[in-house]
Amino acid sequence: DAGVIQSPRHEVTEMGQEVTLRCKPISGHDYLFWYRQTMMRGLELLIYFNNNVPIDDSGMPEDRFSAKMPNASFSTLKIQPSEPRDSAVYFCASSLMDRVQPQHFGDGTRLSIL
Amino acid sequence: AQSVAQPEDQVNVAEGNPLTVKCTYSVSGNPYLFWYVQYPNRGLQFLLKYITGDNLVKGSYGFEAEFNKSQTSFHLKKPSALVSDSALYFCAVRAYTGGFKTIFGAGTRLFVKA
Repeated sequence: DAGVIQSPRHEVTEMGQEVTLRCKPISGHDYLFWYRQTMMRGLELLIYFNNNVPIDDSGMPEDRFSAKMPNASFSTLKIQPSEPRDSAVYFCASSLMDRVQPQHFGDGTRLSIL
Repeated sequence: AQSVAQPEDQVNVAEGNPLTVKCTYSVSGNPYLFWYVQYPNRGLQFLLKYITGDNLVKGSYGFEAEFNKSQTSFHLKKPSALVSDSALYFCAVRAYTGGFKTIFGAGTRLFVKA
């Protein structure tokens, strides 16, 4: 089975540019999560969706960050404008609608803002 | 509020020796507990979970974890460590009454020396 697919795997861009990260969850999964991982702050939940609807976006750091899920097989996380402090590894994860089921993570996008 | 503590940033163990990675949690209600492993440049991978029942749960790659309700702990164990077990390990908790948000610990880096 295909796992969670994220693109791009690496992104290097200059401060002020728009960045779009993409995620394809596992087919049939009802929940989709966006996380950010840094050495200083560890793993942070940014936002999660249930059946394409955003449920909790309290982890989104600023208005510069936005996330969408236009359909069950695709989600984007956008940063506009980007800043050097946004540099991190961003993970997407998906799971079934069941509290006992684990999350399945993609391999992440390593973002560097110069 | 839910929380997870992994008191050790790093654990060092010799190959062939038993290993323990510690985790304590705080939740309201019955917890659902998970362990994940992260290898370099990869996303988190599910290892095992405790939902209910037997306090000793077995998971992937020979790992097991012991749930202790009185000590609110869920320590990860393996009888004989391998060099290939060297990775970053995350404990996570999801409370039965807490919606669908999973709280991750800060992670413990395990080094297994040959």
